[in-house]
Amino acid sequence: GNSVTQMEGPVTLSEEAFLTINCTYTATGYPSLFWYVQYPGEGLQLLLKATKADDKGSNKGFEATYRKETTSFHLEKGSVQVSDSAVYFCALNMDLYGQNFVFGPGTRLSVLP
Amino acid sequence: EAGVAQSPRYKIIEKRQSVAFWCNPISGHATLYWYQQILGQGPKLLIQFQNNGVVDDSQLPKDRFSAERLKGVDSTLKIQPAKLEDSAVYLCASSPGTHYYEQYFGPGTRLTVT
Repeated sequence: GNSVTQMEGPVTLSEEAFLTINCTYTATGYPSLFWYVQYPGEGLQLLLKATKADDKGSNKGFEATYRKETTSFHLEKGSVQVSDSAVYFCALNMDLYGQNFVFGPGTRLSVLP
Repeated sequence: EAGVAQSPRYKIIEKRQSVAFWCNPISGHATLYWYQQILGQGPKLLIQFQNNGVVDDSQLPKDRFSAERLKGVDSTLKIQPAKLEDSAVYLCASSPGTHYYEQYFGPGTRLTVT
C-alpha cells in the first residue's frame, strides 16, 4: 500500500540554523505530495505542495522538491525562527478514486532562541 | 472565507458511553474527510465522503463508529460504545475535489475516554 516515512524527531535547532526534514514515500503511481504544519494547539495547515516530478513547492521560506527518482520530498528552510516550532507532516494524495491522503507520523521541530 | 468548523472542541466521556462530533466544511467543498489522530502520530483516515456518498470507509471500525453526511453538507461522526483506545483528536477536513487538491482542516475535537 501507499505510505510515507519521515525522519524521527524531535529536531532541536538554534534560531537561524538550516533545517532539513526528510520525507520518502511509497506509492503505486504518481502522487501529489504535501507538507502540512501543526502549530501548538492548532489544526493542520497546508504549508506547501508539489503535484509532479521536479516541481518545487515553497511557502514562508520553506521549500521541498518532488524527486521521483529517489521518491523523496524533503523539507528545507535556510534560517529557522522560534515561530517555526511545530509538528511537520509529509503527506501524499493519489490520483486514484478512493485512495486519498496518507500522512507520515510527523516530525516535531523545536527552535531555541 | 470561513474555515472548517467542528464541535465540540473537547469531550470527556467514560468507556462504553456514546459520543458524537459535528463538522461543517467550507462552503462548496464536495469532499469531506474524518481523521483520527492519536497523540504522537499522523492523522489516519476514517471515512471520506464525496457529496453525501461514502467513497472510502475501509479504516472505519464499523462495529462502533458511524458517520453520515446528510444533504452533502455537514457531517456527524458517532462512537458507540467508546473504548479507552478511542482517545484521540478527531479531525474533519474538506476539499473541493478528490484529485490533487489540498485539504483544509478544522481545529479538531479532542476526545478523552476514561
